[in-house]
Amino acid sequence: NAGVMQNPRHLVRRRGQEARLRCSPMKGHSHVYWYRQLPEEGLKFMVYLQKENIIDESGMPKERFSAEFPKEGPSILRIQQVVRGDSAAYFCASSPRQAGGQETQYFGPGTRLLVL
Amino acid sequence: GQNIDQPTEMTATEGAIVQINCTYQTSGFNGLFWYQQHAGEAPTFLSYNVLDGLEEKGRFSSFLSRSKGYSYLLLKELQMKDSASYLCAVNWPLRGGSYIPTFGRGTSLIVHP
Repeated sequence: NAGVMQNPRHLVRRRGQEARLRCSPMKGHSHVYWYRQLPEEGLKFMVYLQKENIIDESGMPKERFSAEFPKEGPSILRIQQVVRGDSAAYFCASSPRQAGGQETQYFGPGTRLLVL
Repeated sequence: GQNIDQPTEMTATEGAIVQINCTYQTSGFNGLFWYQQHAGEAPTFLSYNVLDGLEEKGRFSSFLSRSKGYSYLLLKELQMKDSASYLCAVNWPLRGGSYIPTFGRGTSLIVHP
């Protein structure tokens, strides 16, 4: 059973470009979470999705950031018009049911975004 | 964040015991996780506590006191490979109403020979 897959592992963009980060959850998992980790800081929750639905996006910036989890295919975190402050590691996690209680999240290896 | 506090860095000697503390704001609490994260890698699950007391898993144990808003992770017989960041995460209701683990900044543990 493959773990959570993220690609690309490293992404370099120039200011103003778009970044698209992909996450394939573990088989059988329908709940996906995106986190951002800045150097020397903890994981910051961004958005929680189920198939075709955004459940909670309270941690995601209102502008330039969007996320989706279509019926088929991976979850996508999209950052438009990137700025240097977007440089960070972006982690995706999945769970078979909503995290909380004993439900454990399984994390992918992350995408390290560098904005030049 | 919801005031999760952990020491930034700790050092210990191979073979020793180390305790990593985590304090948190108690309102809305619904369980606490510990994760291990090696540099450049994904966090991996270590333990989950929702009731008071000690949970033991091999060399690692986790303790919780809900009334004090306090947890610790205890690592015994330290090995060099235990050098990593240890993340405390608390289940709280988010602004959107979901219970999603909220992470502290993590404690960087350095094990030396």
